[in-house]
Amino acid sequence: AQSVTQLDSQVPVFEEAPVELRCNYSSSVSVYLFWYVQYPNQGLQLLLKYLSGSTLVESINGFEAEFNKSQTSFHLRKPSVHISDTAEYFCAVSDQGAQKLVFGQGTRLTINP
Amino acid sequence: GAGVSQSPSNKVTEKGKDVELRCDPISGHTALYWYRQSLGQGLEFLIYFQGNSAPDKSGLPSDRFSAERTGGSVSTLTIQRTQQEDSAVYLCASSLLASPYNEQFFGPGTRLTVL
Repeated sequence: AQSVTQLDSQVPVFEEAPVELRCNYSSSVSVYLFWYVQYPNQGLQLLLKYLSGSTLVESINGFEAEFNKSQTSFHLRKPSVHISDTAEYFCAVSDQGAQKLVFGQGTRLTINP
Repeated sequence: GAGVSQSPSNKVTEKGKDVELRCDPISGHTALYWYRQSLGQGLEFLIYFQGNSAPDKSGLPSDRFSAERTGGSVSTLTIQRTQQEDSAVYLCASSLLASPYNEQFFGPGTRLTVL
């Protein structure tokens, strides 16, 4: 069965510092990869996704993630974070042919001024 | 337009009672998903519907859990004889089609507390 590992449960960073949230998934022939974000007191929202094509995908608010097949990773990065990025971030995977999302445990990103 | 809505937003029940959780998907979305978010287990898939049929029920944790969808719209998740370990936030999501190419939109969830 597919599984997702988010290595860090919490990541504290200072405002304007870079951040990387790590995500690894168990190997499969074809996978689709997602990052979801849950802001305080809000529901889950899709941040970005990799389905095919370019291995580097970007969100509208400056986050990017790179699909690395050899390392089975899909780490999320942002070069300079803002207070408004404070949230919990979930990495998820879907197998080709399977419609469900398998989520990691989540990483809580806290931004200190 | 309206997003996915869920009711109730909070439910407190006693162990052994039955509960029903409701999900209203986005209009026109044919696929509907139920997930559970709990402290110990993170976010877990429970079941999904394409139209009124449920091709994948693999995530339902026991036969106390069931779900139905009628008219290709509203879905109800029923938990019979609730146990304390059922306490969690139950999330519903919908998408235009059951495909990774279609974004799943999540509702705000129902927080279930079993005393």
